[in-house]
Amino acid sequence: AQTVTQSQPEMSVQEAETVTLSCTYDTSESDYYLFWYKQPPSRQMILVIRQEAYKQQNATENRFSVNFQKAAKSFSLKISDSQLGDAAMYFCAYKFDGNKLVFGAGTILRVKS
Amino acid sequence: GAVVSQHPSWVICKSGTSVKIECRSLDFQATTMFWYRQFPKQSLMLMATSNEGSKATYEQGVEKDKFLINHASLTLSTLTVTSAHPEDSSFYICSADRVEYSAFFGQGTRLTVV
Repeated sequence: AQTVTQSQPEMSVQEAETVTLSCTYDTSESDYYLFWYKQPPSRQMILVIRQEAYKQQNATENRFSVNFQKAAKSFSLKISDSQLGDAAMYFCAYKFDGNKLVFGAGTILRVKS
Repeated sequence: GAVVSQHPSWVICKSGTSVKIECRSLDFQATTMFWYRQFPKQSLMLMATSNEGSKATYEQGVEKDKFLINHASLTLSTLTVTSAHPEDSSFYICSADRVEYSAFFGQGTRLTVV
């Protein structure tokens, strides 16, 4: 069975600085999708970034980028120039074909001003 | 703007009554929708997969008679919590895949059973 592990329950970052959230996963599949979702205090789940496993190039969305290491089954999220609005719970998720999303336990990110 | 709309955002009901939560895909058709339950500061727990025109697929340990799911159209899935009890109080979220397996989520429903 596929599993997703986020080993950092909480992280803190100073405003304007960079932070990296870790995620590892386990799968026997070769073609799948990986996601990072943000859940702010409103609890609305927001898609931050996605990565197709067949693409070697790391996905980037403005200040958000990933470091996708397929062989190591690692998918970390880097947030540059952190802003107060980035404070939220971040979930790493895995999806194979049309099946269900598998979520990690989440990482609470606090941004200090 | 929101692509998946969920209503109501919050609801309080008396113990023993039933509550219906709606999940709509706004500008796309969703043959499959997903229902989750989330406890404070925890991850999302998949309850069931809602399939248009057929029976829902429930995850192990989820009572199908308590959590009734109906996916009557390509844009609407409903979750009915029947004979609600205080332990059913939680945050319920739906999602639907739009393009390329990217899931979009509803706003969530906070259910409080008193």
